[in-house]
Amino acid sequence: DVQLVESGGGLVQPGGSLRLACVASGDIFYSYHMNWVRQAPGKGLEWISYIRSGSTTIYYADSVRGRFTISRDDATSSLYLEMNSLRNEDTAVYFCARDSDWAFHSWGQGTLVTVSS
Amino acid sequence: QSALTQPPSASGSPGQSVTISCTGTSSDIGAYDYVSWYRQHPGKAPTLLIYEVNKRPSGVPDRFSGSKSGNTASLTVSGLQAEDEADYYCNSHGGIRPWVFGGGTKLTVL
Repeated sequence: DVQLVESGGGLVQPGGSLRLACVASGDIFYSYHMNWVRQAPGKGLEWISYIRSGSTTIYYADSVRGRFTISRDDATSSLYLEMNSLRNEDTAVYFCARDSDWAFHSWGQGTLVTVSS
Repeated sequence: QSALTQPPSASGSPGQSVTISCTGTSSDIGAYDYVSWYRQHPGKAPTLLIYEVNKRPSGVPDRFSGSKSGNTASLTVSGLQAEDEADYYCNSHGGIRPWVFGGGTKLTVL
């Protein structure tokens, strides 16, 4: 199965920006549909963004639309999440996940984003 | 507020069976056979248990089974083991909302 490794998390002030990355193993990343899912401390899972293979379709949850941008670089098997205008409520562990058959078959280990002054 | 409703907790003794429900609407669970279930141990990433209502990925034991009736999906864990103590989440395709999760159920093995 594909291995996913996220990076880029850290501490950022409200209103700030951060860019998360997710690198996939293997050489068929271009065929994967990819997602970002987050989990606030002690809370449940929240899907936040999807990008189809070929970047032909992109979706966002209402909570991040207009502030976050998902993108991918198939040449480097990388998925990105550009996060702007960060709020305290964006504090969470962010997971990248591969979806197939309308389910998240593979997950990364997550990267923690803390928004605080 | 989560889009799908799960009981916050469930419990069972080793060897017993437990069923976790996940209630949605006619726009998500009721409309699509795209319900999936995940198990998450503390500090770990979720892992897929069930997809498309009742299919198991390779490597997932047949102790885990899924079903759906109307707007409610269910996950049954049979032959409970200590390692099954974890949080469980349901997920469904939601039409205009591509994916919606349940709030999660904490399963305790007594």
